Amino acid sequence: QVQLVESGGGVVQPGRSLRLSCAASGFTFSSYSLHWVRQAPGKGLEWVAFMSYDGINKYYADSVKGRFTISRDNSKNTLYLQMNSLRGDDTAVYYCTREARDYGYDFWGQGTLVTVSS
Amino acid sequence: SYEVTQPPSVSVSPGQTARITCSGDALPKQYAYWYQQKSGLAPVVVIYKDTERPSGIPERFSGSISGTTVTLTISGVQAEDEADYYCQSADSSGTYRVFGGGTKLTVL
Repeated sequence: QVQLVESGGGVVQPGRSLRLSCAASGFTFSSYSLHWVRQAPGKGLEWVAFMSYDGINKYYADSVKGRFTISRDNSKNTLYLQMNSLRGDDTAVYYCTREARDYGYDFWGQGTLVTVSS
Repeated sequence: SYEVTQPPSVSVSPGQTARITCSGDALPKQYAYWYQQKSGLAPVVVIYKDTERPSGIPERFSGSISGTTVTLTISGVQAEDEADYYCQSADSSGTYRVFGGGTKLTVL
């Protein structure tokens, strides 16, 4: 069955960096575009970043552009999110999600919590 | 940046019909999706491509579109439908995704 498992979250000081990983299984990883979506405590969902199935196209929300970098390793079935210059408003649960063309985000990970605090 | 707008809350009694709207200028051009999120869990898609229902989603969930507004309708609301619902789409270029602010559905 399809599984997405995020890891790498934790408590980090403002201005520092963190790298999230999303390990995928149960489907042909290299055939799907993937996204990161986050949710601050008690708040709504916020789209963060997109990477196309082949790794060529990447797009970012304005709130993270220039600070976050999305990447993937199709040989390891893993998606990454490198987060630099972290701020307090980056505190959130970060979800990895698969986009099935025209079907939306059909599978989500369980999320990993990132807390930015001194 | 592009935004889609939902009401923050909707309340209905069991058995009634709940309607949640989502407005955005690009909705006539870009598909909308609806996600249900229950407390502490990851979202689940309940409507895709404006009006389509995934397998396994009850028939009481339906979607419609009129101009720049899409609507999620839940007919015969049940207590288990109490959740947050999010509209999701993209800007006119299809590049940047966006979520609405979410609507909390309360079943009275």
